[in-house]
Amino acid sequence: NAGVTQTPKFQVLKTGQSMTLQCAQDMNHEYMSWYRQDPGMGLRLIHYSVGAGITDQGEVPNGYNVSRSTTEDFPLRLLSAAPSQTSVYFCASSYSLGKTLGYTFGSGTRLTVV
Amino acid sequence: GESVGLHLPTLSVQEGDNSIINCAYSNSASDYFIWYKQESGKGPQFIIDIRSNMDKRQGQRVTVLLNKTVKHLSLQIAATQPGDSAVYFCAEKGGNTGKLIFGQGTTLQVKP
Repeated sequence: NAGVTQTPKFQVLKTGQSMTLQCAQDMNHEYMSWYRQDPGMGLRLIHYSVGAGITDQGEVPNGYNVSRSTTEDFPLRLLSAAPSQTSVYFCASSYSLGKTLGYTFGSGTRLTVV
Repeated sequence: GESVGLHLPTLSVQEGDNSIINCAYSNSASDYFIWYKQESGKGPQFIIDIRSNMDKRQGQRVTVLLNKTVKHLSLQIAATQPGDSAVYFCAEKGGNTGKLIFGQGTTLQVKP
């Protein structure tokens, strides 16, 4: 049981490049979310999913796309990276919150856009 | 709109003292609240949660209090230890969306 696995741990992109941040969980969790964390700030919700095939926008969705083709995976795509997307990205998963102790977070991906 | 905020950005306490970290929320429809601890370079770690039908919940050395009248949440840490030094976030959820909204965070510094 690996929990929530995020890859890569570090990434440097040039402005305009695209990339996909990977997130996988092996706990059969229904809910998955992506957050970004900027220095001195809390976590802001980018996108979330309540199950395979279902995604929805969070607080700061612009510039990011997601898909949920399987229960296990929830990749986050940056189509054209901008310096404003320099941040630490966290993926999290949870059972329906009627049954769980809250979200389990991955260890994060530190992204720098130059 | 939804917002979750913390009263103090930094809290400094003496080792062995009790710590109280506060959080205010604005969405009266929120029905579930969680406290997370985040150490430097790591992802948030679950500490304790509470549902809106409760006003107090205790864990090991931690207690969460919920005052729905004033929309206030607090985390109490008993006998604070150096290992408790971290940033603490409260988070709230409303309905069955899985949408968890975080506050800004309070840095807890434990002095030996």
